Amino acid sequence: TQLLEQSPQFLSIQEGENLTVYCNSSSVFSSLQWYRQEPGEGPVLLVTVVTGGEVKKLKRLTFQFGDARKDSSLHITAAQPGDTGLYLCAGDFGTDYKLSFGAGTTVTVRA
Amino acid sequence: EAGVAQSPRYKIIEKRQSVAFWCNPISGHATLYWYQQILGQGPKLLIQFQNNGVVDDSQLPKDRFSAERLKGVDSTLKIQPAKLEDSAVYLCASSLEGVYYGYTFGSGTRLTVV
Repeated sequence: TQLLEQSPQFLSIQEGENLTVYCNSSSVFSSLQWYRQEPGEGPVLLVTVVTGGEVKKLKRLTFQFGDARKDSSLHITAAQPGDTGLYLCAGDFGTDYKLSFGAGTTVTVRA
Repeated sequence: EAGVAQSPRYKIIEKRQSVAFWCNPISGHATLYWYQQILGQGPKLLIQFQNNGVVDDSQLPKDRFSAERLKGVDSTLKIQPAKLEDSAVYLCASSLEGVYYGYTFGSGTRLTVV
């Protein structure tokens, strides 16, 4: 079983501040995805990154995939209370169309 | 398009009782997954179906858990008998072939075993 480590485990910030969460693995990803999960709901896909060094932007969210395809980061600029949730990274290691999930980072943005 | 439907949303049972969860994936999605998410942890894969065949059930506790996918569409996950440590959210997800387009998850079933 491939292991994905996410850090930090918890993050609480004030509205308007920036934040970054990280996802690391000892194995190379074929692709990596970020999901956000709100209480009582299933995770919702935010982005898929495939190419080493790739950077994708989704409004105030910036996703970066490491050059070696073993790590990724999610940066949120000017966080808003609506960004509150559990952020999960999920890696595809190229076997049988399945994803392995990290434990997640719980982000709380205070108004 | 309609999302992944799961029922029930919540279930409370006593240990040693049995329980079943139902999932209806997005139409046309060949791959269906059941994940277990314990509070404070990420989802853990229990079983993966491709059409109505099992691709991976290596982490399914087969002495108490079973799952089936009838006619390659709906799926049922059963626990019998339940243990306290089975308390978790059970998530069903479906995807087109491959993972690039991601999974679509249902809202999950929150199981509490007392």
